[in-house]
Amino acid sequence: ETGVTQSPTHLIKTRGQQVTLRCSSQSGHNTVSWYQQALGQGPQFIFQYYREEENGRGNFPPRFSGLQFPNYSSELNVNALELDDSALYLCASSPPGTPPQTNEQFFGPGTRLTVL
Amino acid sequence: RKEVEQDPGPFNVPEGATVAFNCTYSNSASQSFFWYRQDCRKEPKLLMSVYSSGNEDGRFTAQLNRASQYISLLIRDSKLSDSATYLCVVNGWQAGTALIFGKGTTLSVSS
Repeated sequence: ETGVTQSPTHLIKTRGQQVTLRCSSQSGHNTVSWYQQALGQGPQFIFQYYREEENGRGNFPPRFSGLQFPNYSSELNVNALELDDSALYLCASSPPGTPPQTNEQFFGPGTRLTVL
Repeated sequence: RKEVEQDPGPFNVPEGATVAFNCTYSNSASQSFFWYRQDCRKEPKLLMSVYSSGNEDGRFTAQLNRASQYISLLIRDSKLSDSATYLCVVNGWQAGTALIFGKGTTLSVSS
């Protein structure tokens, strides 16, 4: 069974640029969530995709957008990058029919974004 | 008030010690509760789910008190390999599966 994979592993951008991060969910998982983890903080929920539709969003501005594809892989796009966007971006997938009581999410290794 | 608050740490303990982490959450509608472990510069990994009846997995015991909105994790007989950041996590909405993380508590076990 292939786990969650993310690309690239590291990325350096400058303020004002745009970035696209990619995630391949674990085999059989149809829900993908994205999280931002700043240094010294816990991960913060950005948004979730289920069956190619956004299924909830955290407190992030519209310049954070996403997509989910028919094979359940996903992209996170960030426009007009700011210095505070420097963080580890984590993708997590969960299988269909996951009840809230179990709700285990499997995380990828993350993409470390540095904005200069 | 933050949605999930944890002891700030860090906790520095010798091998063999017992250590307890505490966590409180603000959303009484939360339905699922977890402890995740995160090693330095790695992704979070599920350590254990937390149930109202309490649950144990080897040296690890988790407790949930819904009335007080309080979660705990007890680690007995600490090992060097337990050194990591421990994240308290609850689900964020009634219908969705977003996870809300605490800031994490860092544990360092020394020989």
